Amino acid sequence: KQEVTQIPAALSVPEGENLVLNCSFTDSAIYNLQWFRQDPGKGLTSLLLIQSSQREQTSGRLNASLDKSSGRSTLYIAASQPGDSATYLCAVKTGGSYIPTFGRGTSLIVHP
Amino acid sequence: GAVVSQHPSRVICKSGTSVKIECRSLDFQATTMFWYRQFPKQSLMLMATSNEGSKATYEQGVEKDKFLINHASLTLSTLTVTSAHPEDSSFYICSARDPFSNTEAFFGQGTRLTVV
Repeated sequence: KQEVTQIPAALSVPEGENLVLNCSFTDSAIYNLQWFRQDPGKGLTSLLLIQSSQREQTSGRLNASLDKSSGRSTLYIAASQPGDSATYLCAVKTGGSYIPTFGRGTSLIVHP
Repeated sequence: GAVVSQHPSRVICKSGTSVKIECRSLDFQATTMFWYRQFPKQSLMLMATSNEGSKATYEQGVEKDKFLINHASLTLSTLTVTSAHPEDSSFYICSARDPFSNTEAFFGQGTRLTVV
């Protein structure tokens, strides 16, 4: 059974810092990995989707990498802003299933 | 990307009453929809998978008679929390699968249910 772990659980940084959020998974036979953002009391917004054959994806100040063999993905946020404050969730789809397994998320606060 | 609309976003109900939550795929036909429950500071827990025109598949530990799921059309699935109790208070999120883009998951905005 796939298990997804996200570290750290919470992070508070000053504006402007570059930061890294970590996601690890136990079953490396994944189909894809997706990073989401969730604002308090809101649904999920997809940030980046990495297919199993890819190593990284970039969108603006966000860069997500994937290392299947070690069961890890990182989300890199450059030049963080207060508007980046949210919970970031990592979700892994294992081959043959449409249903992603979610981590518990990293709660990020970027203070001015 | 595809749009999934969930309604209502917030609902407060009295203990013992039933509440219906709707999940609609606005610009695609969703053969499969998923219902999740999220406790504070916890991850999303899959409750059930609903397929259009057939019975939902519930995850272990989820009461079928309490959480009624109907997926009568390709664009609408509903979750009804029957005889709600305070412990049912939670954040419920639906997700829909676009069969032509099965690599990505599209989520609704979520529903905050408070049972008093």
